[in-house]
Amino acid sequence: DAGVTQSPTHLIKTRGQHVTLRCSPISGHKSVSWYQQVLGQGPQFIFQYYEKEERGRGNFPDRFSARQFPNYSSELNVNALLLGDSALYLCASSTGTLNTEAFFGQGTRLTVV
Amino acid sequence: QKEVEQDPGPLSVPEGAIVSLNCTYSNSAFQYFMWYRQYSRKGPELLMYTYSSGNKEDGRFTAQVDKSSKYISLFIRDSQPSDSATYLCATEGGADGLTFGKGTHLIIQP
Repeated sequence: DAGVTQSPTHLIKTRGQHVTLRCSPISGHKSVSWYQQVLGQGPQFIFQYYEKEERGRGNFPDRFSARQFPNYSSELNVNALLLGDSALYLCASSTGTLNTEAFFGQGTRLTVV
Repeated sequence: QKEVEQDPGPLSVPEGAIVSLNCTYSNSAFQYFMWYRQYSRKGPELLMYTYSSGNKEDGRFTAQVDKSSKYISLFIRDSQPSDSATYLCATEGGADGLTFGKGTHLIIQP
């Protein structure tokens, strides 16, 4: 069975640009969460979507937005990129709203120059 | 004060040793506690989760939670070089998602 898949794996963008990251959850999982991991830190929660509705949002500016599609895949959008947005962006999927068995993808490494 | 504190290490031990990894947390409302393993340039891999206080064992790994002291532990028996990775503890915060510690970088010396 395929795990959580994320695309692209690596991305280089210029300050001020916009980026879209994509995530496909494990088959049967209805919840997708997004996390940002900067070097040397643990992942930090950005969003959780369940059944296409936003269920939770972390302490991130409005430049960050996300959505979940009818097939439960998800997109994370970041506008007006800053150098500080450079990080590993991780997607996790779980069957329901509880994150006790959240499975992560390999991440998208975003570099903003 | 960060909600989940974890010593970043590095922690270096010889092969075969028992490894003890620890975290503390501040929010007494947390009920679920997770341990993840993360290899370099990879996503975190779930090792196990526990509910409330007590122990949980899975092969060479044992997770322990002491809610009275807000202390989370992971023990690795018969450590192997392939166990070298960063270990992340996390708590389940409902709509606030998972709250992670910084991660402890573990090195098992052959």
